Amino acid sequence: AQKITQTQPGMFVQEKEAVTLDCTYDTSDQSYGLFWYKQPSSGEMIFLIYQGSYDEQNATEGRYSLNFQKARKSANLVISASQLGDSAMYFCAIHSNAGGTSYGKLTFGQGTILTVHP
Amino acid sequence: DARVTQTPRHKVTEMGQEVTMRCQPILGHNTVFWYRQTMMQGLELLAYFRNRAPLDDSGMPKDRFSAEMPDATLATLKIQPSEPRDSAVYFCATRGTDTQYFGPGTRLTVL
Repeated sequence: AQKITQTQPGMFVQEKEAVTLDCTYDTSDQSYGLFWYKQPSSGEMIFLIYQGSYDEQNATEGRYSLNFQKARKSANLVISASQLGDSAMYFCAIHSNAGGTSYGKLTFGQGTILTVHP
Repeated sequence: DARVTQTPRHKVTEMGQEVTMRCQPILGHNTVFWYRQTMMQGLELLAYFRNRAPLDDSGMPKDRFSAEMPDATLATLKIQPSEPRDSAVYFCATRGTDTQYFGPGTRLTVL
């Protein structure tokens, strides 16, 4: 079984500053993928960034980067230069890449609500 | 810009009625997932298909929920009979190379 823990129910950040959203995971699989999704108040789930367990470099997508520390089983999301539009719920998720019937299904954390102040 | 589409976007129904939610996957994505989001439970997997075959539906209440994929362009999730506790947002997602792309969701309210 896989598990995602997001310990920050809510975070606040000033516009233009950087913010880190925490995510730790638990899995017995050797090959897995870690995701971050953004859910604004409109309710849609927007894919932000992906990190494979065998990727040696941290994933980056524009202002988003994933601080992957495999030994600590953490996959924190860093948002640089926060914007007002970044205010949303953020979900960390994991899936197995091991094949079989567990292949691909996502297990989500409880989410972190980020509020960006002007 | 390929997207997952879901219909209806909103559904209000009365307890006991049948509800059918539809999903059109991104063309070429052969793995389709149904998730449910509630305040209490968060996001949870209900069922998923690969190449139209059901792989796992252990997250669904078997007595009232059913999921099918009659062809590569349509996945359905049916609730019969619906109950107030089924009120939630139901997401369809499809898998690309490394990423799952979500549809906009169906917000279901059962009165």
